[in-house]
Amino acid sequence: NAGVTQTPKFQVLKTGQSMTLQCAQDMNHEYMSWYRQDPGMGLRLIHYSVGAGITDQGEVPNGYNVSRSTTEDFPLRLLSAAPSQTSVYFCASSNLAGGPAGELFFGEGSRLTVL
Amino acid sequence: AQTVTQSQPEMSVQEAETVTLSCTYDTSESDYYLFWYKQPPSRQMILVIRQEAYKQQNATENRFSVNFQKAAKSFSLKISDSQLGDAAMYFCAYRPLLKLTFGTGTRLTIIP
Repeated sequence: NAGVTQTPKFQVLKTGQSMTLQCAQDMNHEYMSWYRQDPGMGLRLIHYSVGAGITDQGEVPNGYNVSRSTTEDFPLRLLSAAPSQTSVYFCASSNLAGGPAGELFFGEGSRLTVL
Repeated sequence: AQTVTQSQPEMSVQEAETVTLSCTYDTSESDYYLFWYKQPPSRQMILVIRQEAYKQQNATENRFSVNFQKAAKSFSLKISDSQLGDAAMYFCAYRPLLKLTFGTGTRLTIIP
């Protein structure tokens, strides 16, 4: 099983460039989310979605856009990259039927560097 | 806002010994879930153990167990018979409904 797949795994951008981090899951999970991980700060929630057409902001949403057109995909867009967005990004999904007990399944992470 | 605090940035333990990682959280909710996730050098996030706030019995998964003190809002992880493969970052996390909030992590080193 593929689980949660993130692409690309590594990316270097220049300030002001745009890019999209892709996330796909094959477990039919309703809930999908994006986190960023920075040294000493743990993982912080950027945006999340509970189904196609439904998204909401997390703790650090500024500078990021999301959309959810299908159950499987949840891309994260950086419209104008800034050095402060240098981080490791994780996509995670879970089955809403399990409620808050549901285990979050994570992708392998995407390391983004903005110069 | 809910917060999760891990006050030990780094811990070390001798192989085969027991170590306890601390976690406290702040919430006004009465029901929620608490988790410990492990992140080895591969960067993969792995669920170690989970605990529902309404259950008084502490969760156990093989060598991993928790000490959940709801009134004190404390959720520590005990690793028994530590193994080299336990070396990783450990994150405590809190989830009342949908959003999962993580602590800043504790880096665990296993000394052979």
